[in-house]
Amino acid sequence: NAGVTQTPKFRVLKTGQSMTLLCAQDMNHEYMYWYRQDPGMGLRLIHYSVGEGTTAKGEVPDGYNVSRLKKQNFLLGLESAAPSQTSVYFCASKSGRGDTGELFFGEGSRLTVL
Amino acid sequence: GQNIDQPTEMTATEGAIVQINCTYQTSGFNGLFWYQQHAGEAPTFLSYNVLDGLEEKGRFSSFLSRSKGYSYLLLKELQMKDSASYLCAVRDSNYQLIWGAGTKLIIKP
Repeated sequence: NAGVTQTPKFRVLKTGQSMTLLCAQDMNHEYMYWYRQDPGMGLRLIHYSVGEGTTAKGEVPDGYNVSRLKKQNFLLGLESAAPSQTSVYFCASKSGRGDTGELFFGEGSRLTVL
Repeated sequence: GQNIDQPTEMTATEGAIVQINCTYQTSGFNGLFWYQQHAGEAPTFLSYNVLDGLEEKGRFSSFLSRSKGYSYLLLKELQMKDSASYLCAVRDSNYQLIWGAGTKLIIKP
């Protein structure tokens, strides 16, 4: 059981380049999230989705776009990368069906923007 | 604003007991979570409290006082593998999670 899988694990970009992070979950979860984690700060929500075909903005959405075309996949795009987007990105999912709300996280994607 | 406070770093000895505190001020309350995160890895779920009191799960226990906006995570019989960051998160009235910055726990032999 793979759980939540993120690709790529590491990426170095130059300012202005674009890229897409892919998150895939095999638990048939409805809810999916993209967070960023920076030193000395709590996880911050970028965008989230409550089901296939839906997306919503989180706390820090600027500079990012997302898509949820298939239930199992949640893509995070950076159209024009900036050094401020250097971070570790975590994807998470949860079932959302009367449970405690436990999140299942991917292993993280470490992005450096030069 | 919404705020979660927890100590930045704590040190404890193998075999001992440690208590990690978390205080919160949020717009509403719909549960408090503790996650463990080893360096370079993903956070993993430890506990969930929505009612006042103590929830025990093996060597780990979590306590909640909603009136005081306070929780703690208690780790007993510390092992070297417990060296990690412990993240406190509160679900607010909009069912969004507000995360603390985490407490880095260092276990010494």
